[in-house]
Amino acid sequence: GENVEQHPSTLSVQEGDSAVIKCTYSDSASNYFPWYKQELGKRPQLIIDIRSNVGEKKDQRIAVTLNKTAKHFSLHITETQPEDSAVYFCAASTATSGTYKYIFGTGTRLKVLA
Amino acid sequence: KAGVTQTPRYLIKTRGQQVTLSCSPISGHRSVSWYQQTPGQGLQFLFEYFSETQRNKGNFPGRFSGRQFSNSRSEMNVSTLELGDSALYLCASALGENSPLHFGNGTRLTVT
Repeated sequence: GENVEQHPSTLSVQEGDSAVIKCTYSDSASNYFPWYKQELGKRPQLIIDIRSNVGEKKDQRIAVTLNKTAKHFSLHITETQPEDSAVYFCAASTATSGTYKYIFGTGTRLKVLA
Repeated sequence: KAGVTQTPRYLIKTRGQQVTLSCSPISGHRSVSWYQQTPGQGLQFLFEYFSETQRNKGNFPGRFSGRQFSNSRSEMNVSTLELGDSALYLCASALGENSPLHFGNGTRLTVT
């Protein structure tokens, strides 16, 4: 069945450095790719998303890139801060005639060291 | 605008019992999906409803079931509880397909 692979599972960076999390999806019909951040004890919240007709999207220190040919998308966080420490989930959504699927990656625990 | 509301926040049940969890989506959202989250296991998809119809179901046993009402509120039921069902159950609502999910705070179920 369809799946989304996410790497790495854990990532430690020094404050101020950049962090990159990568996801690969299997369903070529996927056309929406959101990223969620879940802080300890809290609900997952959307931080950025990208649709299949766009290659890159940026929001302040956060950016997402999409390579449809390789079926690969990545989250980039620049100038990391301690409050960026959380678990990050990627997802791939597929909506075709009569079918709708929203598949999450397994998550990346990001630790920003002060 | 009120967010997604899940009740109850905490539940303690014993093996063999059944449980019903409730989710009220954001007003106007017709899609409601449910996820099981255990430590280190990420978000495991249970099922998704849209306009009272189940559109998709994850790989969970038949003990897990759900439904959606005409006002978009949703319930999920777990029968014959097992110790392994202990988890945080998250509900999320969305406007429609390929839309951001808005999660509730979850119901933490403990099975003893």
